[in-house]
Amino acid sequence: DAGVIQSPRHEVTEMGQEVTLRCKPISGHNSLFWYRQTMMRGLELLIYFNNNVPIDDSGMPEDRFSAKMPNASFSTLKIQPSEPRDSAVYFCASSFPVEGLDYEQYFGPGTRLTVT
Amino acid sequence: AQSVTQPDIHITVSEGASLELRCNYSYGATPYLFWYVQSPGQGLQLLLKYFSGDTLVQGIKGFEAEFKRSQSSFNLRKPSVHWSDAAEYFCAVGSKTSYDKVIFGPGTSLSVIP
Repeated sequence: DAGVIQSPRHEVTEMGQEVTLRCKPISGHNSLFWYRQTMMRGLELLIYFNNNVPIDDSGMPEDRFSAKMPNASFSTLKIQPSEPRDSAVYFCASSFPVEGLDYEQYFGPGTRLTVT
Repeated sequence: AQSVTQPDIHITVSEGASLELRCNYSYGATPYLFWYVQSPGQGLQLLLKYFSGDTLVQGIKGFEAEFKRSQSSFNLRKPSVHWSDAAEYFCAVGSKTSYDKVIFGPGTSLSVIP
């Protein structure tokens, strides 16, 4: 099992540019989560999907952020336009929760985004 | 409101010493509890989880945690710390009865002195 795959691993871009982060969840998992991690704010949940449907996007900081999950094996997080304060490590995680049974979130290696 | 607190932002221990990282939660339903570890530059890795049954759970890398419902706690322990245990540790709580999100604590940073 390849685990959760994220690309790119590092992204450096200039302020105002569009940034797209990609995630491939573990095959068979039906829940997908996007997190942002910074020194100041720690680990923040941005949005999560269940069966490709966005369930809770209350953590998305503003309209510049958008996320999609067109199918069970792919998700994107887009920032347009990007700003220096968006610099962070963005993690994708997936899980297969079944009511009454245990589950866990599996994390990808993260994308380190730097906006100059 | 559901929440997880980790009272210790940073802990330093000597190699070979015992370790206890504290975690307290506030959750309306029966909780499902996790401890994750994050090494520098890496993603989060699950150390252990409590779903039901024995309240003392064993995890990877020699870690264990004990669920105490009366204290709303799920503290992580290790009898003898190794230098490679230096990392960030996150406690988290999730629901056993819905497909809702998992709530993570702020993390505790562990430093190990040789």
